[in-house]
Order: sequence, then C-alpha cells, then structure tokens
Amino acid sequence: GENVEQHPSTLSVQEGDSAVIKCTYSDSASNYFPWYKQELGKRPQLIIDIRSNVGEKKDQRIAVTLNKTAKHFSLHITETQPEDSAVYFCAARYTGRRALTFGSGTRLQVQP
Amino acid sequence: EAQVTQNPRYLITVTGKKLTVTCSQNMNHEYMSWYRQDPGLGLRQIYYSMNVEVTDKGDVPEGYKVSRKEKRNFPLILESPSPNQTSLYFCASRGSGHNEQFFGPGTRLTVL
Repeated sequence: GENVEQHPSTLSVQEGDSAVIKCTYSDSASNYFPWYKQELGKRPQLIIDIRSNVGEKKDQRIAVTLNKTAKHFSLHITETQPEDSAVYFCAARYTGRRALTFGSGTRLQVQP
Repeated sequence: EAQVTQNPRYLITVTGKKLTVTCSQNMNHEYMSWYRQDPGLGLRQIYYSMNVEVTDKGDVPEGYKVSRKEKRNFPLILESPSPNQTSLYFCASRGSGHNEQFFGPGTRLTVL
C-alpha cells in the first residue's frame, strides 16, 4: 500500500521567514496530494491541494510543488506569521483506493 | 451549516466495556471515514464507507467495527476496548467527485 514520509517533524522559524515541509510517497499511482493544518485542539483543515497533472499551485502565502518523477511534494509558506503555528500533515491518494494516507505531521512554530 | 459532528467529544472508559462513537454529516456525502491520531504517527485510517451498506477496512481496523445503515451516519463501535485504543478519533466525509475531506471535531478516548 501507499506510504507517506514527512520531514521535518518539528520546524521553528522567525516571523517573516519562509518554511518548507517535504513529503515523499511510495505509490506512483497516487494522483491527489492535499495538505492539512491542525491547530491545537482543533480538527484538521484542508489548506491547499494539488493533483498529479499539475507541478505547482499557489494560494497567497502558501504553495505546493510536486515532482512526480522523484515522488515527492512540498509545502512552502512565505512571510510566516504567528498564526501559522500548527501541525501540518501531507497526504496522498489514488483514485482506486479512495482513501488518504497521511504523513506523520510537522509541528511548525513561528517565533514572533 | 454544513458540518460533520461526533459524539461524545470526550470519553473515559474501562477495558472491555463496549462503546459507540457516533458520526453524522449533513452534506449528503457518499464517502465517510474513521481515523485515529496518535503522536508521531499522523492520522491512520480505521475504516471507510463508500455509500450505504458499503464499508471497507483501512490501515488499522483491528478491534473496531462500523456500520452504514443511513447515508448521514457512520458509527464506530469498539466491542471490547483495550488501553491501546486510547487515542484521538476523527470522522471525516467527502462527496463523490470531490477531493476535499471534511473532518469532525474529534473524540478523545481513554481506555483504562
């Protein structure tokens, strides 16, 4: 089955700096890659996603890039703010399985 | 308001005492899933359902049962809970033809 690895497990940045979180996946059939943000005590919420026919997608300060050949995708957050502090999860899915496989999460701390 | 609800939100129980965690969605979604979240392991899928009376095992189904008698409800049943089932549980739903998965607020279960 699919296996998703996520790095780093913790990341601390200064406010205004950029943050990058990386994930690799094992199943070349995976075609959908979402990123979820989970604030302390809250439910995971989708922040951005990308399909395998696209190499990059941006939404204001966040962007996701996908390298299908290397089977990895990354989340980029620019101009970080304290409210970006949370746990971020990557995930992968292929149509046949209909289920998401999640990475282990990255705790991002933005220092004011 | 479109939402996924879970009950109870918190539960402390003892080994072997059967329990049910309810999940309900009001978005007419076909797909529903149960995940457990443990530190360092991310979200792992327990069971999912593609529609009424159609369910399938996820990655960690042992010790759990589910049913899908109505489209809106997807209860998680622990027939004989054990301490290793102490975890944070999330229900999620997704509409057919859509990628975004919506999570419930979570149920924190402690089995003594």
